[in-house]
Amino acid sequence: EDKVVQSPLSLVVHEGDTVTLNCSYEVTNFRSLLWYKQEKKAPTFLFMLTSSGIEKKSGRLSSILDKKELSSILNITATQTGDSAIYLCAVLVNAGGTSYGKLTFGQGTILTVHP
Amino acid sequence: ETGVTQTPRHLVMGMTNKKSLKCEQHLGHNAMYWYKQSAKKPLELMFVYNFKEQTENNSVPSRFSPECPNSSHLFLHLHTLQPEDSALYLCASSHWGLEAFFGQGTRLTVV
Repeated sequence: EDKVVQSPLSLVVHEGDTVTLNCSYEVTNFRSLLWYKQEKKAPTFLFMLTSSGIEKKSGRLSSILDKKELSSILNITATQTGDSAIYLCAVLVNAGGTSYGKLTFGQGTILTVHP
Repeated sequence: ETGVTQTPRHLVMGMTNKKSLKCEQHLGHNAMYWYKQSAKKPLELMFVYNFKEQTENNSVPSRFSPECPNSSHLFLHLHTLQPEDSALYLCASSHWGLEAFFGQGTRLTVV
């Protein structure tokens, strides 16, 4: 059974701090690893990582995949109160050839940033 | 706005009611998905439709009945639900196996 585990499950920091969120996985037919941010309802897409060791960056957020260790990290530098959210890690596995894939999600990390 | 629209946003229904959730995507994607998000549990895949054909049913009870009339529209018909079915139901779509885009979800409460 495919499995995705995130840590920590919750984290409380102050504005300006840097945080690192972890994700590990055990799946068959790995295609890519995705990070989402969920503030109220809709998870919004952050990153998709397919190749090991290549960092993806968007502003203060960055992420990298380690396919040897079956893991990924999401870094947020200089955190702001607007970063408070649930951060979801998901692994996309192959299904139905290349026309679609299936996402298996971790439990999420609840990040709270205090002013 | 992700291009995936779900209605209604909130729904309260009795255990004997029949209701439907609607999802529409304006992104031209070929695959659509239903996910369930319960408190303190990871998002769970329920159904996948690819080019309007059902390709995955993740052992979902028959009281949940999906329908996909075309690649842009997806429904989830609900009947005789149980209180433990109360959850956030999320629709998503994707293009040729790339990242999925989610709708705002329907918060369902079964009383």
